[in-house]
Amino acid sequence: KQEVTQIPAALSVPEGENLVLNCSFTDSAIYNLQWFRQDPGKGLTSLLLIQSSQREQTSGRLNASLDKSSGRSTLYIAASQPGDSATYLCAVRRDGNKLVFGAGTILRVKS
Amino acid sequence: AAGVIQSPRHLIKEKRETATLKCYPIPRHDTVYWYQQGPGQDPQFLISFYEKMQSDKGSIPDRFSAQQFSDYHSELNMSSLELGDSALYFCASSLGFGAGGPGEQFFGPGTRLTVL
Repeated sequence: KQEVTQIPAALSVPEGENLVLNCSFTDSAIYNLQWFRQDPGKGLTSLLLIQSSQREQTSGRLNASLDKSSGRSTLYIAASQPGDSATYLCAVRRDGNKLVFGAGTILRVKS
Repeated sequence: AAGVIQSPRHLIKEKRETATLKCYPIPRHDTVYWYQQGPGQDPQFLISFYEKMQSDKGSIPDRFSAQQFSDYHSELNMSSLELGDSALYFCASSLGFGAGGPGEQFFGPGTRLTVL
């Protein structure tokens, strides 16, 4: 059974800092991995999708890496802003259609 | 760009009542997924459909059923509602594997169901 773990569970940083969110998964036979952002009580916004054959993806200040063999992904956020405050969820897709989510990292960027 | 549409956005029901949630996928997306997110929890996969056929099934209670229609919209029917069914219900859509798409799932804003 695929299990996804995210570390840290919560993170508070001052504005402008670069930060790294970690995601690990137990079954490395994944099809792809997605990072999402969720604001309180709101929907999930897809940030980045990494296919199993890829090593990283970049979008603006976000960079996600994937090391499938070790079962790890990181989300790097450069020059953090208060508007980045949200919960960040990692989800992996193995066979079938379902995404298996981690519990998320709650990020707070202080101005 | 068009996004996934869900209706209603909020729904309040009594125990043992029924509820129907609707999802309209992004145009040209042929795969629809349903997830349930309880308070303080991560989303849990319920069920998915590809080209109007059930393609995968997760932890969906027997009291729930779903289908995808010819226009690709989907409905989640929930009967004999229980207090524990109170949650955010998300629909997501993507291009299916058959279309050679990357399978990126795009989520709707969710329907918040409260069972009293």
